[in-house]
Amino acid sequence: KAGVTQTPRYLIKTRGQQVTLSCSPISGHRSVSWYQQTPGQGLQFLFEYFSETQRNKGNFPGRFSGRQFSNSRSEMNVSTLELGDSALYLCASSSDGRRKETQYFGPGTRLLVL
Amino acid sequence: DQQVKQNSPSLSVQEGRISILNCDYTNSMFDYFLWYKKYPAEGPTFLISISSIKDKNEDGRFTVFLNKSAKHLSLHIVPSQPGDSAVYFCAASLNQAGTALIFGKGTTLSVSS
Repeated sequence: KAGVTQTPRYLIKTRGQQVTLSCSPISGHRSVSWYQQTPGQGLQFLFEYFSETQRNKGNFPGRFSGRQFSNSRSEMNVSTLELGDSALYLCASSSDGRRKETQYFGPGTRLLVL
Repeated sequence: DQQVKQNSPSLSVQEGRISILNCDYTNSMFDYFLWYKKYPAEGPTFLISISSIKDKNEDGRFTVFLNKSAKHLSLHIVPSQPGDSAVYFCAASLNQAGTALIFGKGTTLSVSS
């Protein structure tokens, strides 16, 4: 089975722009979560989508949004980029989300905001 | 306020010896805990998990211990190998599905040969 894939792997944007990141979960997985990793704050939960609905949300401003498609692929959007949004954005998937299950992570998208 | 804390940023161990990585949490509602390993330029890789109804879970060289009264868990790696050198993250979950993980800031383990 192919693992979680994320595109693009690297991205450079300037302040004020917006960006869209993509995540394809493991085949058959219906839950997709997004995390932000920075040196100062570590790994922080952004939001989780399950069956095209946002099921959980972390403590991030509204500039961070996401969606999930019927094939479980997910996108994350950040509008009006700030320098502090420079981070590694990780996507993780798990299967049916009804019980405690392992989340499997993708390699991440490295975003640099100039 | 950090709900999951890994107070040791780094740990150095000799090959063959035991590595013990520690993690403390503040929220008594957490009911599922996990350890992940991360190499540079890769996503975290799942190692082992434990439910709050257990106090120990073992998988090969990896054992996780949970002390609920102390709100403390630890990961033991025996014997340690140079390939274990990585950043180790402790994580906890509140929800039924075990998603929406709250991570500690990680401990960098260096195993020397």
